[in-house]
Amino acid sequence: ETGVTQTPRHLVMGMTNKKSLKCEQHLGHNAMYWYKQSAKKPLELMFVYSLEERVENNSVPSRFSPECPNSSHLFLHLHTLQPEDSALYLCASSQAPGGDQPQHFGDGTRLSIL
Amino acid sequence: AQSVAQPEDQVNVAEGNPLTVKCTYSVSGNPYLFWYVQYPNRGLQFLLKYITGDNLVKGSYGFEAEFNKSQTSFHLKKPSALVSDSALYFCAVWDSGAGSYQLTFGKGTKLSVIP
Repeated sequence: ETGVTQTPRHLVMGMTNKKSLKCEQHLGHNAMYWYKQSAKKPLELMFVYSLEERVENNSVPSRFSPECPNSSHLFLHLHTLQPEDSALYLCASSQAPGGDQPQHFGDGTRLSIL
Repeated sequence: AQSVAQPEDQVNVAEGNPLTVKCTYSVSGNPYLFWYVQYPNRGLQFLLKYITGDNLVKGSYGFEAEFNKSQTSFHLKKPSALVSDSALYFCAVWDSGAGSYQLTFGKGTKLSVIP
C-alpha cells in the first residue's frame, strides 16, 4: 500500500489518440510530481505542483499537459504522442515541494505508443 | 548544477556478505542526499536521507549510508545481504542553493544477491 495510486497501470495507445493518466495521493501532502522513467536513463522530472500551482516545468513537449485540480489529484493528459514517449510514468508526492523532502511514489503507468 | 553518478550498472553479492552500492555527487551548495529502491513493476521507495549531522545515516531494511564530503560520496551499505534485497537502487541529490525543486537521480544500480 503505497499511499499514491496511479491508474491505469498499463496503457497502449496510437500516436493520434488522446488519453489521460491519473494519480491520487492519500497522504495529505501538498506537492505532487510527474516523472518519466526510460530504460537505461535517469528519472526525468517533468512537472512539479505545489498546492495545485505548477512550480516547475522541465521543458516538456506540449503534447504532455498536466492538470492538478486539488492537492490530492494529478493528471497527465496525452495527445499526439511519439514512439519515444513509450516509458514508465511515475507520480510522486511529498509534504512540501523541494528536494529536502522524501518523495512517495506510485507504481507507475507503463505507456506504449504504437 | 547538480549531478549524481552511480559508477556500477550492476553489483552482485553472495547472500550473507556485506554489500556496497556506490554514489558520488556534485553540487555547488549544500547537498541533500537520498537513496531509493525500486522492485520490479513497482515505484521507487524511500530508504534514507542525509541532510546534516552525523555522517552515518541509518535507514529502512537495515541499510545505511555514509556521507563523505571530501570524496563527495554517499555509498549505500548493508552488513549482511538478503536475497530479497535484489532490486534497482537509485541515489539522488538536491542542491539546496540551486533555486530549483528538482531532485536529480542517478541511472540506478541493479543489485543481485545470490543465494
